[in-house]
Amino acid sequence: SAVISQKPSRDICQRGTSLTIQCQVDSQVTMMFWYRQQPGQSLTLIATANQGSEATYESGFVIDKFPISRPNLTFSTLTVSNMSPEDSSIYLCSVAVGLVTGELFFGEGSRLTVL
Amino acid sequence: AQSVTQLGSHVSVSEGALVLLRCNYSSSVPPYLFWYVQYPNQGLQLLLKYTSAATLVKGINGFEAEFKKSETSFHLTKPSAHMSDAAEYFCAVSDQGGSEKLVFGKGMKLTVNP
Repeated sequence: SAVISQKPSRDICQRGTSLTIQCQVDSQVTMMFWYRQQPGQSLTLIATANQGSEATYESGFVIDKFPISRPNLTFSTLTVSNMSPEDSSIYLCSVAVGLVTGELFFGEGSRLTVL
Repeated sequence: AQSVTQLGSHVSVSEGALVLLRCNYSSSVPPYLFWYVQYPNQGLQLLLKYTSAATLVKGINGFEAEFKKSETSFHLTKPSAHMSDAAEYFCAVSDQGGSEKLVFGKGMKLTVNP
């Protein structure tokens, strides 16, 4: 298993600003994932962050809008840039641990409201 | 492309009643299927998983799900609901090619009435 801490847990931001979300894991993991959970919607994968390489973004998400850092095997950040009200969502960090494909552990999420 | 359908967004049951949460999937390759649960103000946690072994899968807290290939379904059940089961439940699918990328359904909020 893995324990994942995310900061901030929630924030209210102004349009046009940027916010960086931090994700700390209590063990070393190879793959970290960032998801977005919009109100009333399913979780959508933003990108996969591997240590030592550029993040891999899913269709519809770009590095300029969601830059990601992965400086080591226990930490990652996601920045939401030039925010608009449409970016109001819960952002979730997750990691894959163990041998079973698809078994993910999630942080508690960062609830972002953009005014 | 893979997808998951969870029809509806909310289900309400009485305490002690059967819980049935439906999930249908679409996948061009043999799937791995998962149910995750999200309690209020918490992250998602794995409830149970199907990875091509037994078609009837038992999970935590008395939940189980049955993989039916002919119906492309993976419905979640619990014989007797408890108040503590109130949460949001997500069905998810990944392919068996070794990808950790999950595709999630929209989720189903379960309310348990006393």
